[in-house]
Amino acid sequence: QVQLQESGPGLVKPSETLSLTCTVSGGSISDYRWSWIRQPPGKGLEWIGYIYYSGSTNYNPSLKSRVTISLETSKNQFSLRLSSVTAADTAVYYCARVASSSFFLHCDNWGRGTLVTVSS
Amino acid sequence: DIQMTQSPSSLSASVGDRVTITCRASQSISSYLNWFQQKSGKAPKLLIYAASSLQSGVPSRFSGSGSGSDFTLTISSLQPEDFATYYCQQSYNSPWTFGQGTKVEIK
Repeated sequence: QVQLQESGPGLVKPSETLSLTCTVSGGSISDYRWSWIRQPPGKGLEWIGYIYYSGSTNYNPSLKSRVTISLETSKNQFSLRLSSVTAADTAVYYCARVASSSFFLHCDNWGRGTLVTVSS
Repeated sequence: DIQMTQSPSSLSASVGDRVTITCRASQSISSYLNWFQQKSGKAPKLLIYAASSLQSGVPSRFSGSGSGSDFTLTISSLQPEDFATYYCQQSYNSPWTFGQGTKVEIK
């Protein structure tokens, strides 16, 4: 069973860059898409984007100018960078594996999530 | 963006009840619809993908139906561990979008 674990700072200052890493264990990072999703406290889920193992990406247009998702295949990790953060970026950030069944994409394995607070 | 609207936003039900949650997309999304369960403080868990395919390991009391723009998640006999918030999500178009959630509470 594949497991995912988010890591990174829990506190980021406004205008700085949020950086998180997701470590994948129990399976290879190849042959899948890998996604980031976030959830502000007490609110719903927002998809941030995903990266394919080939390196191609698909981002939410609402965040596209500030988001970079990258892969480090040698470490079985993928990462999220979100620049120029504000308090509105305070959320639990989840990483997830994206499975495909006859072109139907779905996040079938999730990390436990990590709370990132944007505050000075 | 495709807007996903769930109803109801919350419901109260008893153990053993049949529960139905609906999800409507603002345009046709074929069967590109997933359902997740989220318990307090936990990550979402995939229940149903492609509108009606049961994810491995998920109890058979969960089922999904629908296509186009109208979808349903049904719990045939509500169990104590099913009290949670449920989300639908479309993967037909980017950006992927989620419904606002339906909270299932104990009656």
